Formats: sequence, structure tokens, C-alpha cells
Amino acid sequence: QLQLQESGPGLVKPSETLSLTCTVSGGSISSSSYYWGWIRQPPGKGLEWIGSIYYSGSTYYNPSLKSRVTISVDTSKNQFSLKLSSVTAADTAVYYCARHPQLVGATGGWFDPWGQGTLVTVSS
Amino acid sequence: SYELTQPPSVSVSPGQTARITCSADALPKQYAYWYQQKPGQAPVLVIYKDSERPSGIPERFSGSSSGTTVTLTISGVQAEDEADYYCQSADSSGTYQVFGGGTKLTVL
Repeated sequence: QLQLQESGPGLVKPSETLSLTCTVSGGSISSSSYYWGWIRQPPGKGLEWIGSIYYSGSTYYNPSLKSRVTISVDTSKNQFSLKLSSVTAADTAVYYCARHPQLVGATGGWFDPWGQGTLVTVSS
Repeated sequence: SYELTQPPSVSVSPGQTARITCSADALPKQYAYWYQQKPGQAPVLVIYKDSERPSGIPERFSGSSSGTTVTLTISGVQAEDEADYYCQSADSSGTYQVFGGGTKLTVL
């Protein structure tokens, strides 16, 4: 059974870079059928897609975050990572990683499964 | 920017049918997906490709599509179905993923 687990610092200072890693177990991140994505959820608010990556390294990002986001993949470790630069309090959120299938006519489909999520707080 | 529109809240009594809608211009071209999220938990996929139900999801959950609106229907609502529900789809180019604002389902 495929499982995803987010890891990284729970507290980041304003203007610094948020860095998280998602470790995939029970399956290979190098599958040609899937993208791997990051989604976040500010406390009490809705879900926001951040971006996704294919095992080859091809990425696509939410246009509203694109200037600050970098997603990378390490197939040797079965991991993919998120970096979000110049963070502010507005970036405080639970960050989730998830798998989504490649579809004809769309870069990616539904997200399933999801990691349990990790809360990142931006504060000095 | 592309948006999916959901009602903020829906309330139903146990045993009744709940319908949650999601509207956007590109929905006739792109599939929609639905997630259930309970407090403190990660979202769970309940419907994919507009109307397909993943294994393990109760039959009372169903999805449908008509024009620019997709609908999640929960028949015979149970107390355990009280949760936030989110729709997700892609923009017309199929490149960018978008979530609706979420609908809080209250079981009276």
C-alpha cells in the first residue's frame, strides 16, 4: 500500500525559505503513470495546490506561487521536495504531499493517496 | 485566475439526501474530483473522473456532471458524513490544478 510522509521544520522565520520533503513508501516514485504534488491548507481555510513534479523532473506550479516555488525529485531516495522562498505569515499552513495520475488532456488528475500533512508556522 | 465555486454550507437531516455543487467554465472539458475532509485529518478521495467511486467508499456517495456544474450526492446521509467537502479540477488547458473553496456538510 502506497504511503507518503512529509517531513521538515515546523517553524520558519519570515523572509526565509521553507523546505519540506515527502518520502514515498510501498511504491516507486519513478512510475511513468503518476505525478507527485504538494498542496497546502492555511488554518481554518481551504486547499491550495502548490505544484507537481514528474519523476523525470518536469514541473508545473500554481501561477500565484510560481516565483517562489521549487519542487525537485530524488528518485534514488524515493523522495520529492518543496522549497518556498521569502515566506510570510500568509504561508503558515498544513502542507500535504500526494500522488496524482497522469491523464490524457490534463497534466494530472485526482490526488490519492495523501500524506498526513505537516504544520509549518512562519513566525519570528 | 480559474476558480471552482462551491456553496459554503449544506445542511441535511440523517437519512436525507445531500447535494453539493461545484461550478466552473472548464468543467465540460475537464474531469472533477471530490474529497471529504474531517477535522484534523487529510482529505480523502470520494469521487474521481466526475462519477467514479474509489474502492472502499460507500455506495451512498455518487457524482454527476451537467454542463458547467458537477454535483456530489450523498444518499441516506449518516452522522459520520459530517465533514468538509472539496471539489478539484484543472483549468481549460489541463495544466493547473484548482480546488473549490469547500462546503461544510452539517448533519442536523
